[in-house]
Amino acid sequence: RKEVEQDPGPFNVPEGATVAFNCTYSNSASQSFFWYRQDCRKEPKLLMSVYSSGNEDGRFTAQLNRASQYISLLIRDSKLSDSATYLCVVEDSGYSTLTFGKGTMLLVSP
Amino acid sequence: DAGVIQSPRHEVTEMGQEVTLRCKPISGHDYLFWYRQTMMRGLELLIYFNNNVPIDDSGMPEDRFSAKMPNASFSTLKIQPSEPRDSAVYFCASSSHGTGDTEAFFGQGTRLTVV
Repeated sequence: RKEVEQDPGPFNVPEGATVAFNCTYSNSASQSFFWYRQDCRKEPKLLMSVYSSGNEDGRFTAQLNRASQYISLLIRDSKLSDSATYLCVVEDSGYSTLTFGKGTMLLVSP
Repeated sequence: DAGVIQSPRHEVTEMGQEVTLRCKPISGHDYLFWYRQTMMRGLELLIYFNNNVPIDDSGMPEDRFSAKMPNASFSTLKIQPSEPRDSAVYFCASSSHGTGDTEAFFGQGTRLTVV
């Protein structure tokens, strides 16, 4: 069974803090990885893809460690608007589908 | 484009009743996915279609669930008869060329409550 495991949190951080989320996945053949963001009572939306070399998008940095089957997301200078649930997502190798982790909740306070 | 459109947004029904959820994918997208989200199990893939053809329905919980995609712009997920444990948020998503390297766009979901 394909698994994507995340710490559910919540992570409570003050504005301006740096916070990191991690997830592990079981399917070693997976080739594509993503972070999705889901606001309360809303639909998931793509935050960023995760590449082997690591990638950055503004305050967000994603890293992939294939050997350890581990993905991370770093958020610098947290904003109130970053409060959401962050879903770690792994492509099901050989299929056109995604397996979602249950998500990590982030609460950024003033 | 208006994005993926789902209806109804909320549905409350009595146990044993038939429930039909509807989805209009983004025009031009070849793939359509039905997911169910609960606190306990997170987002689970129920079934997906490629070019209107069901490809994998192994996530459909049981025979009470069925899905159709009669054309490229419309899909339904039906539960008959519904049970309280079916209460969840049901999302429809669409993408082009599968999801390995393209974004999956989700609808706003249907919040189903079976009493």
